[in-house]
Amino acid sequence: QKEVEQNSGPLSVPEGAIASLNCTYSDRGSQSFFWYRQYSGKSPELIMFIYSNGDKEDGRFTAQLNKASQYVSLLIRDSQPSDSATYLCAGTGTASKLTFGTGTRLQVTL
Amino acid sequence: DGGITQSPKYLFRKEGQNVTLSCEQNLNHDAMYWYRQDPGQGLRLIYYSQIVNDFQKGDIAEGYSVSREKKESFPLTVTSAQKNPTAFYLCASSINSGTENYGYTFGSGTRLTVV
Repeated sequence: QKEVEQNSGPLSVPEGAIASLNCTYSDRGSQSFFWYRQYSGKSPELIMFIYSNGDKEDGRFTAQLNKASQYVSLLIRDSQPSDSATYLCAGTGTASKLTFGTGTRLQVTL
Repeated sequence: DGGITQSPKYLFRKEGQNVTLSCEQNLNHDAMYWYRQDPGQGLRLIYYSQIVNDFQKGDIAEGYSVSREKKESFPLTVTSAQKNPTAFYLCASSINSGTENYGYTFGSGTRLTVV
């Protein structure tokens, strides 16, 4: 059973709209969660992390964590074509390792 | 600038050949990791090391070997026992505080192809 689940997409949103990316996890012991952006053929880059219930905002990005529902989300406001990428959700597991979801592909259309 | 460097960027392996992927970091991170990514799939953990001279198998360690003789270096050898090695290989590092997790920093990756 996968520990971090994401819808593979693609999620298509028009330019300027809000993109909502979702992730669920099964390990209640997970404390911290991370969102990585990965462009095609490139390595993942960290864009947000969150470890407390609620919202965390950074520019156009908002991460949301609900530990009771075991749910993490990433909102991207004013989506731009440059946001088109695969977004990986990851949660802490044992021994400092991260467990990654398979990623959601986001397409921002003109 | 601090970072994590993987080399080579592209690597071609012949059948039955062992190849070694390099990973070097100057971030003073304790922990280092190797992941494999296949097209359209997520990251699968091959090996990880939390401290020099110690490492553990991940989920798909068969056909791979590693060493951690220096804090800065964590090379991965893909042996001939790995029957399907064509993939994108990612090295990562992190601070190993034991209780907190600040996420990984990834290298730029090595794309390995069997010819």
